Parts: sequence; C-alpha cells; structure tokens
Amino acid sequence: DAGVIQSPRHEVTEMGQEVTLRCKPISGHDYLFWYRQTMMRGLELLIYFNNNVPIDDSGMPEDRFSAKMPNASFSTLKIQPSEPRDSAVYFCASSLGWVPEAFFGQGTRLTVV
Amino acid sequence: DAKTTQPPSMDCAEGRAANLPCNHSTISGNEYVYWYRQIHSQGPQYIIHGLKNNETNEMASLIITEDRKSSTLILPHATLRDTAVYYCIVSSSGSARQLTFGSGTQLTVLP
Repeated sequence: DAGVIQSPRHEVTEMGQEVTLRCKPISGHDYLFWYRQTMMRGLELLIYFNNNVPIDDSGMPEDRFSAKMPNASFSTLKIQPSEPRDSAVYFCASSLGWVPEAFFGQGTRLTVV
Repeated sequence: DAKTTQPPSMDCAEGRAANLPCNHSTISGNEYVYWYRQIHSQGPQYIIHGLKNNETNEMASLIITEDRKSSTLILPHATLRDTAVYYCIVSSSGSARQLTFGSGTQLTVLP
C-alpha cells in the first residue's frame, strides 16, 4: 500500500477563499484522523471518523471548518472562508481498529495570505 | 491525560545508542506511554507504546520505571535517518484519538 495520501502537498490561497484538502487513507483502515500542526500550538486533533462516520469533531476550531468522509477511501477537510491564522500543516492519518499506531500522510502545507 | 516533560534537544553519535528520557510523574494507572517521531517535513511516525512492562520492537526499546513516573526510549544503533523530533505521549486512550503531541525532543544524530 502507498500509505496515506494527501493532496495537495502545498496550497497558497487568498484570505476569504475556500480551501479543500484531500485524504486517501490506507485501504482497509476504519479510523481516519485530521490533525493540524503549527509552531504555536503543536499538533492538534481536529476530527476523527470511524467507518466513515464523524465521531468527535470537538477539535474543529470554528464553523468555517468542515470535514466529510463520503466513502472509506476518501475524506476532505474544507475551510470556508479561509483566514491567515488557518495557515498550518494539515495531516491526515488512518488506523486499523482502536489502536495507538496511526499512519500519517505527508501533510498539506496551507498558506493563507 | 498526564503531562510529559522532555528535554528540548539531544545529540547522539551515529552508531551509538540514543537514550531519550521522558518524565510523566502524574501518570495514572490506566494511562499508556506512547512514542512517536517526526522527521522534518513528514508526518509523525509511531514507534512504540507500553503500559508498565518494558517493550521492544524492530525500531526501539521502551523502558518504563517501576513507579511509571518516567520512561526512556532507546534507539540501539542510531543512524543519520533517526534525526527527528521525538514525542513522548501519555494517554488513557488506546488509539490515536487522543494523542496530544507536546514539543518533543529534537534528536540530532551526528556523523
């Protein structure tokens, strides 16, 4: 398996624009996590899914953020409208079962100007 | 979940053992110790976890003190590719759901 695949790797957008980040988890994994990493706050869990169902979105910072998982092989994280403080690296991770070993993607570096 | 304390940085000579300490003095009985690492510009990578017994896998060994208030991650023969930020995490969750990553230890393996 190619691992967790995220796209795009880099995204630069203007404030106010909609941004969509994409993730393809490892085939067969039933948990999917979205994390955000900044220098100030470190790595934070935003939301996680189990069997395509959102379980805990308490880490989503604002209503501007939304995440979906329409099927087992694809998830999106959308920010609308984007703001400069959303600039960060966004990671997607997946795991097989309720286990501590999560496999992370390479991340998407988002810059909002 | 218990808070962890790690040194901000460490150096290690290539080929030598790297011993990364972590203090978690407020750990409770049902909390596990997890170690992840993050190589520059990559996503975090799971290394190992344990509850109270020492653990070993193909990547590393985890030594947890008897009182469980501290632990040490051991990379037996460090290579340049082991240069990364190492995170010690304590959590009662058995999954990646509640992994709170702190600032970690920047390990630099020197040639």
